[in-house]
Amino acid sequence: KQEVTQIPAALSVPEGENLVLNCSFTDSAIYNLQWFRQDPGKGLTSLLLIQSSQREQTSGRLNASLDKSSGRSTLYIAASQPGDSATYLCAVPFTGGGNKLTFGTGTQLKVEL
Amino acid sequence: EPEVTQTPSHQVTQMGQEVILRCVPISNHLYFYWYRQILGQKVEFLVSFYNNEISEKSEIFDDQFSVERPDGSNFTLKIRSTKLEDSAMYFCASIYHNEAFFGQGTRLTVV
Repeated sequence: KQEVTQIPAALSVPEGENLVLNCSFTDSAIYNLQWFRQDPGKGLTSLLLIQSSQREQTSGRLNASLDKSSGRSTLYIAASQPGDSATYLCAVPFTGGGNKLTFGTGTQLKVEL
Repeated sequence: EPEVTQTPSHQVTQMGQEVILRCVPISNHLYFYWYRQILGQKVEFLVSFYNNEISEKSEIFDDQFSVERPDGSNFTLKIRSTKLEDSAMYFCASIYHNEAFFGQGTRLTVV
């Protein structure tokens, strides 16, 4: 059964700092991994989708990496801003295929002025 | 930009009542999902729907739950007799090229 863990659970940084969020998964037989952002009481916004054949994916100040063999992904946020404050979730497909996702518990990020 | 739309944004219902949560997926997407998130917990898969029928469901999705796509656009989740523990955020999602797109959710409060 696929299990997804995210570390740290919460993070508070000053504005401008570069930071890394971590995601680990137990079953490396995945074909993609997706990072989401969730604002309090709101839905999930897709940030990046990394296919299993890729090692990195970039969008603006965000860069996500994927190491299937070690069961890890990282989300790098450059030059953090207060508007980046949110919970960041990673998700991978269930073991056995299909598109249904298993989510981590998330990292709650606060970027302070 | 196309988006998944959910209504209502918040629903309060009495225990034992039926609720219907509505979703309009992105047009031309073929795979639809419902997930839920109990406050402070992980987002959990409930059910997937393809070609007008359920393709997979979780243990959570018992006989009290049902889904349908009555008119080719709306995608609904019905809970027949709500329980206190059904209180959660319910998210609709659709998949395109393996990327999941989520709606803003419906916050269901059962009192």
